Amino acid sequence: AQSVSQHNHHVILSEAASLELGCNYSYGGTVNLFWYVQYPGQHLQLLLKYFSGDPLVKGIKGFEAEFIKSKFSFNLRKPSVQWSDTAEYFCAVNAHSGAGSYQLTFGKGTKLSVIP
Amino acid sequence: GAGVSQTPSNKVTEKGKYVELRCDPISGHTALYWYRQSLGQGPEFLIYFQGTGAADDSGLPNDRFFAVRPEGSVSTLKIQRTERGDSAVYLCASSLTRFNEQYFGPGTRLTVT
Repeated sequence: AQSVSQHNHHVILSEAASLELGCNYSYGGTVNLFWYVQYPGQHLQLLLKYFSGDPLVKGIKGFEAEFIKSKFSFNLRKPSVQWSDTAEYFCAVNAHSGAGSYQLTFGKGTKLSVIP
Repeated sequence: GAGVSQTPSNKVTEKGKYVELRCDPISGHTALYWYRQSLGQGPEFLIYFQGTGAADDSGLPNDRFFAVRPEGSVSTLKIQRTERGDSAVYLCASSLTRFNEQYFGPGTRLTVT
């Protein structure tokens, strides 16, 4: 079974600060990795995804994430956050293939508060 | 284009009642999923449809929960004899195929009193 750990429950940053949100997963096989974002009052939106290829993936709004296979990690980064980045961020994983591969397993989420 | 839509957005019901939650996936998406999100948790998988059939319902918590997708598009999640522990946000997602990324709807917040 897969599991996902997000290390920080709540992160508070000032505008223009750099962001890194940790995500580690537990799974023995090849995985697809995702970051979803939920802005206040809105639904979950896909921020970026990794299926294969370049382990550094770029998403919307200046976010990027790096897949480090040896560390089972997929940390989310942004060099300079804005107040509008205030949201809850979820890391998710599913198996690349095989039975149950469609099931997304989510972390508990990290709330990001950006102070103007 | 239109995203995944869910109705109602909020549902308050009394313990023991029956409820139906509806999901309209993105047009052309063959795969449809239901998840449940409790307070302070990430979404948890309930059931997956490929076309009209439930390909995997292993996440349904018990036999009070049932879902259908009769024409391969709209899906309904049905909960019988609701319990207070069923209170959560029920999320629907769809994807072009099972191998593509999933797009989520706004959810239905179910409160059982």
